[in-house]
Amino acid sequence: DGGITQSPKYLFRKEGQNVTLSCEQNLNHDAMYWYRQDPGQGLRLIYYSQIVNDFQKGDIAEGYSVSREKKESFPLTVTSAQKNPTAFYLCASNIGAGYVNEKLFFGSGTQLSVL
Amino acid sequence: SQQGEEDPQALSIQEGENATMNCSYKTSINNLQWYRQNSGRGLVHLILIRSNEREKHSGRLRVTLDTSKKSSSLLITASRAADTASYFCATDGKGGGADGLTFGKGTHLIIQP
Repeated sequence: DGGITQSPKYLFRKEGQNVTLSCEQNLNHDAMYWYRQDPGQGLRLIYYSQIVNDFQKGDIAEGYSVSREKKESFPLTVTSAQKNPTAFYLCASNIGAGYVNEKLFFGSGTQLSVL
Repeated sequence: SQQGEEDPQALSIQEGENATMNCSYKTSINNLQWYRQNSGRGLVHLILIRSNEREKHSGRLRVTLDTSKKSSSLLITASRAADTASYFCATDGKGGGADGLTFGKGTHLIIQP
């Protein structure tokens, strides 16, 4: 069954702690994205990657970091520098290359809350 | 920056009625897409319309695009309780740039049985 898997579904962060959100896809997609969604708001782009070992900052990258060591995986770390991390985080992917602005496939999201 | 803005923010209708929601955007686009999100879940792609298209259908969905007005509408006909969700428009808005889509804030649709 092809798709994007995000884990965990719920995550709690203590003050000063870094936490990592997992995103794995088996769609053989080149491009992967991380979005943040706050209540009543649209999605805002945090980071994206079009190819392994390469990624770019989105609109709200401060306080976040990513890696893309494997095509299937694009983990997001929320660092202690992110002062307002409580949000719903969505990972997405698409074919990439000449189709980077075409249909996105989304995971089911991770709700991050601060203790 | 927000590219697409949906209108209305919330819409409540009776089951069986048609639901119409609108999206306005600011810059030129290559395509515009609509997505649905059920509460606490990821987004699901509904339909994509290209800048050279004016209307597109998919099942009970009809999307129109007016590039001169920089607006799009999504019509859901014969609504069902299962259509209750938030609906988002998304645009590339950067001449085919490779930095992902820009989403509006969404329209929350409630279908009352």
